[in-house]
Amino acid sequence: RKEVEQDPGPFNVPEGATVAFNCTYSNSASQSFFWYRQDCRKEPKLLMSVYSSGNEDGRFTAQLNRASQYISLLIRDSKLSDSATYLCVVIGGGFKTIFGAGTRLFVKA
Amino acid sequence: NAGVTQTPKFRILKIGQSMTLQCTQDMNHNYMYWYRQDPGMGLKLIYYSVGAGITDKGEVPNGYNVSRSTTEDFPLRLELAAPSQTSVYFCASSYLESGGGQETQYFGPGTRLLVL
Repeated sequence: RKEVEQDPGPFNVPEGATVAFNCTYSNSASQSFFWYRQDCRKEPKLLMSVYSSGNEDGRFTAQLNRASQYISLLIRDSKLSDSATYLCVVIGGGFKTIFGAGTRLFVKA
Repeated sequence: NAGVTQTPKFRILKIGQSMTLQCTQDMNHNYMYWYRQDPGMGLKLIYYSVGAGITDKGEVPNGYNVSRSTTEDFPLRLELAAPSQTSVYFCASSYLESGGGQETQYFGPGTRLLVL
């Protein structure tokens, strides 16, 4: 089992749709969780951190479920500019940073 | 601030050649990292450093070496290039306070390496 697994994608959605990504992790001692966004042939950039209580930033909502060891990202009212690859990142004990393989999102007009 | 800068942007190497990928950050971050990203894959940690003079192996360190003589610079060295090292290499940095807590990693634009 991979340490961090994401929905395989790609997700093809129309503008205005709501889309959700899930990510599971295997190390129950993991401490920090993030969603990064990566555009084609560009570097990853932080989208948002994920807190235990859940957090929202505009159209984006992140949730953490420690008991089931998964995190989620919900995007509401999708825009064309949301098209990108979304990377789940988990930082475990011993300063181990693990990136998921990413989920590709295509938002169409 | 320029953030995290990497040079070169693109390089072609022959098998057995060596090279150094440069990484510099001007944010006074204590933590620095090197990752590689193969096509369609996530990033894999090669080496990281928690401060000047301190480095440690990540998930895929074989074939690479690093040094951290200053806070700003964290070069990655390939001694004997192999086709398996064809990849995109990203350097990143972050600041972590002594008390711990969540940290944001800032990435450089990447170096695309092709080994033939």
